[in-house]
Amino acid sequence: GAVVSQHPSRVICKSGTSVKIECRSLDFQATTMFWYRQFPKQSLMLMATSNEGSKATYEQGVEKDKFLINHASLTLSTLTVTSAHPEDSSFYICSASNGYTFGSGTRLTVV
Amino acid sequence: GQNIDQPTEMTATEGAIVQINCTYQTSGFNGLFWYQQHAGEAPTFLSYNVLDGLEEKGRFSSFLSRSKGYSYLLLKELQMKDSASYLCAALSWGKFQFGAGTQVVVTP
Repeated sequence: GAVVSQHPSRVICKSGTSVKIECRSLDFQATTMFWYRQFPKQSLMLMATSNEGSKATYEQGVEKDKFLINHASLTLSTLTVTSAHPEDSSFYICSASNGYTFGSGTRLTVV
Repeated sequence: GQNIDQPTEMTATEGAIVQINCTYQTSGFNGLFWYQQHAGEAPTFLSYNVLDGLEEKGRFSSFLSRSKGYSYLLLKELQMKDSASYLCAALSWGKFQFGAGTQVVVTP
């Protein structure tokens, strides 16, 4: 079945630095991928839809200049959290647009 | 607006059956998904309903009533490893709207 590989699984960074999270589709071509954020004991919240070869579509309230999404190929989508702050600490998850396949998630801690 | 509701927590004993209800209010509805999520991990897909009725997959079954905006996930023959959060998600206009999850605690 379809597999999405997400890296890194955990990252700790200093406040003000940037962090890049990668999601690769290993055995299928992903023209669209979703990026979610999940705070403890809360639901997955859709941040943006990543579109291969075009600009990402951001959900209301998500700063596109802070959460940079690049989907330059059919197998790779990246999310960069720029100038990270402690309130950005969360669990970030990508998924294929079919709803069946999720990356393993990235636990970001900003100190 | 979009609204997905499910209970916060349910407790059941090993070997029992538990039913997790989910109600939704969405426009552009095109299916209801159920996922299992263990602590610290990403969700894994369990079941999907787009038409009314029951879908059975082993110990897990899911039901949908589109007219009532209602779904449930039925877990049979509970095992300790089934202790997890169960998320329902409505597919609406090509995007997934997730409920907050139901924490199922299985006791010996």
